[in-house]
Amino acid sequence: SQQGEEDPQALSIQEGENATMNCSYKTSINNLQWYRQNSGRGLVHLILIRSNEREKHSGRLRVTLDTSKKSSSLLITASRAADTASYFCATDGPTSGSRLTFGEGTQLTVNP
Amino acid sequence: GAVVSQHPSWVICKSGTSVKIECRSLDFQATTMFWYRQFPKQSLMLMATSNEGSKATYEQGVEKDKFLINHASLTLSTLTVTSAHPEDSSFYICSASWNRVDGYTFGSGTRLTVV
Repeated sequence: SQQGEEDPQALSIQEGENATMNCSYKTSINNLQWYRQNSGRGLVHLILIRSNEREKHSGRLRVTLDTSKKSSSLLITASRAADTASYFCATDGPTSGSRLTFGEGTQLTVNP
Repeated sequence: GAVVSQHPSWVICKSGTSVKIECRSLDFQATTMFWYRQFPKQSLMLMATSNEGSKATYEQGVEKDKFLINHASLTLSTLTVTSAHPEDSSFYICSASWNRVDGYTFGSGTRLTVV
């Protein structure tokens, strides 16, 4: 079952703007991961943040994690049209047996 | 590194036939692989965990006789959709991880259309 909820479900912005997507989860986690999926394609791993980390950066990506609120956010700065895709958060928990549980995803559209 | 190859990328089959999808880890050994199903504009639903040398672990509600999983080697897992019906049409994706610390690698997915 899906334990993650993401908002917004869809986000449309202009190139150069920042995009923020949020993810909430319900159970304890070892880590939380963000993935990107272009339409009809597989998933690409973007970034992983451990439960004892609060913030992580990778290029134009910034991820935060608040375990007290069971939530995470993904910020994409200076967005580009090529960033258009669906973004999913996924949690890996201590009782998951290494199985990932995915959120519902956010469809990001970056208009040129 | 950590590449997962999935084949075929798309397949069209007739109702009642069986379809096999392959998932290979190209540059690492994967004792565990995962199979997901994704409907249009929806998230990924885990179907089963494929364990090398042992039986797959299926998620609740997934018919093990319908979706046969074989993980005969450390680099290959296969998903066979048996007696396919139109409602089995979906996007199937596999994944594996050589190191949970660095996340999981996903195959490119297989678009199955049953007519």
